[in-house]
Amino acid sequence: GAVVSQHPSWVICKSGTSVKIECRSLDFQATTMFWYRQFPKQSLMLMATSNEGSKATYEQGVEKDKFLINHASLTLSTLTVTSAHPEDSSFYICSATTGGSSYNEQFFGPGTRLTVL
Amino acid sequence: GQNIDQPTEMTATEGAIVQINCTYQTSGFNGLFWYQQHAGEAPTFLSYNVLDGLEEKGRFSSFLSRSKGYSYLLLKELQMKDSASYLCAVLDSNYQLIWGAGTKLIIKP
Repeated sequence: GAVVSQHPSWVICKSGTSVKIECRSLDFQATTMFWYRQFPKQSLMLMATSNEGSKATYEQGVEKDKFLINHASLTLSTLTVTSAHPEDSSFYICSATTGGSSYNEQFFGPGTRLTVL
Repeated sequence: GQNIDQPTEMTATEGAIVQINCTYQTSGFNGLFWYQQHAGEAPTFLSYNVLDGLEEKGRFSSFLSRSKGYSYLLLKELQMKDSASYLCAVLDSNYQLIWGAGTKLIIKP
């Protein structure tokens, strides 16, 4: 149980285009989803936290108009990188928790590798 | 500020034992996680400690001392597939995960 999927697994796009990444909880309802970014040889960096039906909470330094997050249902959150540039190339990982208790293990998706040319 | 320290890289021999340390200074504490991350993949959960002591799970054990702000992950009978990065993360008072930079473990035959 507790499987999280991401789509696409990898994407290559031209500079200036927008890319949408989907994160789905397959066998549970995710009250909270997290979006991380990881550059090579660095740790995970939390970008934003989203709760179903409400606006995402962005971490300091993350542009909310550039990284659009929508958490429309309890099983789906999307991250849209708008007007992508080469410096946005990174490994984007989502995770989800079930909520309902003080300790909520985060279940991670397999990640999406974005390369912006 | 909040800070989690762990060694950048460690090397060990197949079949041996290795201990990866993690020290933390965070605003509040609601538990400490260890995750394993293979190159190019997402992290996978290994352990969660919220009380002092040792938690054993197969070849992997995790220890916590809250008074010392210290944890370690112990890997026994090392296998080549254990080559990965090991991430220490602390759940702070706001239930936000604070991540360490990870320890890259290299296993040699």
